[in-house]
Amino acid sequence: DAGVTQSPTHLIKTRGQQVTLRCSPKSGHDTVSWYQQALGQGPQFIFQYYEEEERQRGNFPDRFSGHQFPNYSSELNVNALLLGDSALYLCASSLETGEETQYFGPGTRLLVL
Amino acid sequence: AQSVTQLDSQVPVFEEAPVELRCNYSSSVSVYLFWYVQYPNQGLQLLLKYLSGSTLVESINGFEAEFNKSQTSFHLRKPSVHISDTAEYFCAVSEWKAAGNKLTFGGGTRVLVKP
Repeated sequence: DAGVTQSPTHLIKTRGQQVTLRCSPKSGHDTVSWYQQALGQGPQFIFQYYEEEERQRGNFPDRFSGHQFPNYSSELNVNALLLGDSALYLCASSLETGEETQYFGPGTRLLVL
Repeated sequence: AQSVTQLDSQVPVFEEAPVELRCNYSSSVSVYLFWYVQYPNQGLQLLLKYLSGSTLVESINGFEAEFNKSQTSFHLRKPSVHISDTAEYFCAVSEWKAAGNKLTFGGGTRVLVKP
């Protein structure tokens, strides 16, 4: 049973650039959430996608956007990168109905120079 | 709005000694509670969860946590730790709403098990 997968594992960008991170949910899951984990801190909720729509959003600027595809996979896009966007970006998947548990992928570590 | 406080940022402990990681939450509605573990350079792994029923929940590797509604706490315990338990532990809550079940995390507790 494949778990949550994310790509790439690491990424280095410069300020002002744009980045796209990808996530494939656990088999059978239909909901994808994205979190940002800065160094030494707990993860912060960015947004959640269900049925290809953004259903819930945390306190992140519009520079952060996403997409969910018909196969439930998802992308996180960040425009106009800032140094402060350097973090581990975690994707989590869950099932809309049933147990209320999110399962996390290994993350993408983004470094903005 | 919900919030989670993990009272200890670091907990050093000797191998085979007990450990307790404290977690308190604030929420105006009923919550689900979770403990996740993060090993160095990895994602989060679910350790255990409380959704309903018995307030004492256990994991397969010897951890347990007890939901205390009156004290709004969900402390994590293990009677005897191993070197392999060295990791960062995160407490999280979610409020079930029609619009989704986002997780709110605490700041984490780093456990360092010494031989």
